[in-house]
Amino acid sequence: QTVVTQEPSLTVSPGGTVTLTCASSTGAVTSGYYPNWFQQKPGQAPRALIYSTSNKHSWTPARFSGSLLGGKAALTLSGVQPEDEADYYCLLYYGGTWVFGGGTKLTVL
Amino acid sequence: EVQLLESGGGLVQPGGSLRLSCAASGFTFSSYAMSWVRQAPGEGLEWVSAISGNGGSTYHADSVKGRFTISRDNSKNTLYLQMNSLKAEDTAVYYCAKSGPPMAVRLADYWGQGTLVAVSS
Repeated sequence: QTVVTQEPSLTVSPGGTVTLTCASSTGAVTSGYYPNWFQQKPGQAPRALIYSTSNKHSWTPARFSGSLLGGKAALTLSGVQPEDEADYYCLLYYGGTWVFGGGTKLTVL
Repeated sequence: EVQLLESGGGLVQPGGSLRLSCAASGFTFSSYAMSWVRQAPGEGLEWVSAISGNGGSTYHADSVKGRFTISRDNSKNTLYLQMNSLKAEDTAVYYCAKSGPPMAVRLADYWGQGTLVAVSS
């Protein structure tokens, strides 16, 4: 049973910077896991933000960036806005199956 | 504009069956892989199933393997999820999602609004 682990919750001040991480129980996350990141606000469907580690969709705000950091996938928000308060999920590919992380609840306070 | 509209959810008894549909528009349906992702009440996202653009390759999470079947009708621009032997733990909002090419890299670029499945006696 593969487990993908994210921080359950993080708090950041408006205008600040925060990094969310995504770890795999199988070992270091590499580009071959094609990390994706999604944002979900209460009562809404998820929205894709990042694919294949660091690629942004056309609608992804510039303040969001993806990377690999210390054996994990990472999502960094720079210059956080109040509207960034949401749940964030990572998704990793395991050769024909995909596993979501448990999600990080980001509070902007 | 990509639009995905799920339907078919509802209340079903344990052991029962249900078929979800996802009507797609705004893109060439047969050219893209599609997936189902679910979210139990108050919980996180769980990938359920995926299917290639021509329907020739399908993938299912271990939690639903042998009980759920993903399929598609490209002539009707519709994705399906046949759910059999339903359990209480299958209770969730089921989302359909459009993949970007390739599926492994971009599983879920666009999402529908979801349909609620409740399994209870």
